[in-house]
Amino acid sequence: SQQGEEDPQALSIQEGENATMNCSYKTSINNLQWYRQNSGRGLVHLILIRSNEREKHSGRLRVTLDTSKKSSSLLITASRAADTASYFCATDASSNTGKLIFGQGTTLQVKP
Amino acid sequence: KAGVTQTPRYLIKTRGQQVTLSCSPISGHRSVSWYQQTPGQGLQFLFEYFSETQRNKGNFPGRFSGRQFSNSRSEMNVSTLELGDSALYLCASSSATGVYAGPLHFGNGTRLTVT
Repeated sequence: SQQGEEDPQALSIQEGENATMNCSYKTSINNLQWYRQNSGRGLVHLILIRSNEREKHSGRLRVTLDTSKKSSSLLITASRAADTASYFCATDASSNTGKLIFGQGTTLQVKP
Repeated sequence: KAGVTQTPRYLIKTRGQQVTLSCSPISGHRSVSWYQQTPGQGLQFLFEYFSETQRNKGNFPGRFSGRQFSNSRSEMNVSTLELGDSALYLCASSSATGVYAGPLHFGNGTRLTVT
């Protein structure tokens, strides 16, 4: 069963715009992670946020976590065509720790 | 450091056959996880090994098995292949040694097609 659900499923924006993706999950977590996947390739780790953290930044990425709402968001600022990819959130559930459960992902298209 | 290496990159098998996929983790990483990715089910966790021991297991039938060697290299085996086993199989390694899942470093996967 999927722990994380991303929203929207697909997003299309122009270069330079910001992209926001949301992730909701069902159970208590130890941490939540975001990954990027280019077509047919492996996933690349972007950022990890722990359950006691509310916000983290990494370059053009900003991740927020609201454990009361069981949700997280990934913001990519000043998007580039190279950001075109699928983005997944993954959770390390407190009840079954040590394995990451991935959501279905958001497909982002950035048009030049 | 070299990244996670998976072999072979592509594989075509017939229903009923078995297959073995190989994964070499990043040097020094002791945790190796396997995932199955399909368009319909997304990324599904198969199992995770740490220091040659299976630490976590997903909800897959017993036809799916794996192992890890003393050098942390891992293999997964699927016996009696079914059409539904066609997927991208991803291996990931992690430097995390505690109970919490750390950042995963993925290989580019093995694309298995069952005909």
